[in-house]
Amino acid sequence: SYELTQPPSVSVSPGQTARITCSGDALPRHNAHWYQQKPDQAPVLIIYKDTERPSGIPERFSGSSSGTTVTLTINGVQAEDEADYYCQSIHSSGISRVFGSGTKVSVL
Amino acid sequence: QVQLVQSGTEVKKPGASVKVSCKSSGDTFTNSYVHWVRQAPGQGLEWMGLIDPTDDSRTYAQRLQGRVTMSSDTSTTTVYMELSSLRSEDTAMYYCARERRIYYYGNTGAFYYSGMDVWGQGTTVTVSS
Repeated sequence: SYELTQPPSVSVSPGQTARITCSGDALPRHNAHWYQQKPDQAPVLIIYKDTERPSGIPERFSGSSSGTTVTLTINGVQAEDEADYYCQSIHSSGISRVFGSGTKVSVL
Repeated sequence: QVQLVQSGTEVKKPGASVKVSCKSSGDTFTNSYVHWVRQAPGQGLEWMGLIDPTDDSRTYAQRLQGRVTMSSDTSTTTVYMELSSLRSEDTAMYYCARERRIYYYGNTGAFYYSGMDVWGQGTTVTVSS
């Protein structure tokens, strides 16, 4: 079955840059979106269509895409950015959706 | 502001069914899908399926085919997800989420997806004997 691959964890010091990758064979054909989820909360959309940021999302969050990999970058990480991050895209079949396994960002 | 409000906590026995509702305020679901996503304790997000409330078309995750049914009532802007033959592994938080189709020009032709931009608050479903 189709999968999106993310690293399980990323650790970063406050003020530094965190990068989270998401790899999948269908990513050149289908946009990816990113979600932030804090404990006991519903996920929040932070990047859509690979690179677009919804209103209200801080500018330190950005997305990029290259071939079969999309990347979420958090510049100037803050303590409040400690959370789980999930990429999501469309299954290679073109209809179903799929989530990455999630990446836990720890702010040291 | 669009909100999705889900029904309350459910406790079910193995083999039973559960039906969770998701009511929209501020959105008629035009040019939108409603997805259902679940999250088992300590685990990641699992996509369960989607429904287009305006034409009732549905697509379900392959591993849930035969057990999940999604439906909608456009008169009340409410979407439902029913899961049958419950087992302990179905214990999870269940979320509904809206995703829009955003057309580049007018209401037809090329479009892109907005991502799941509005989420319900979640419904806890516990399956236990």
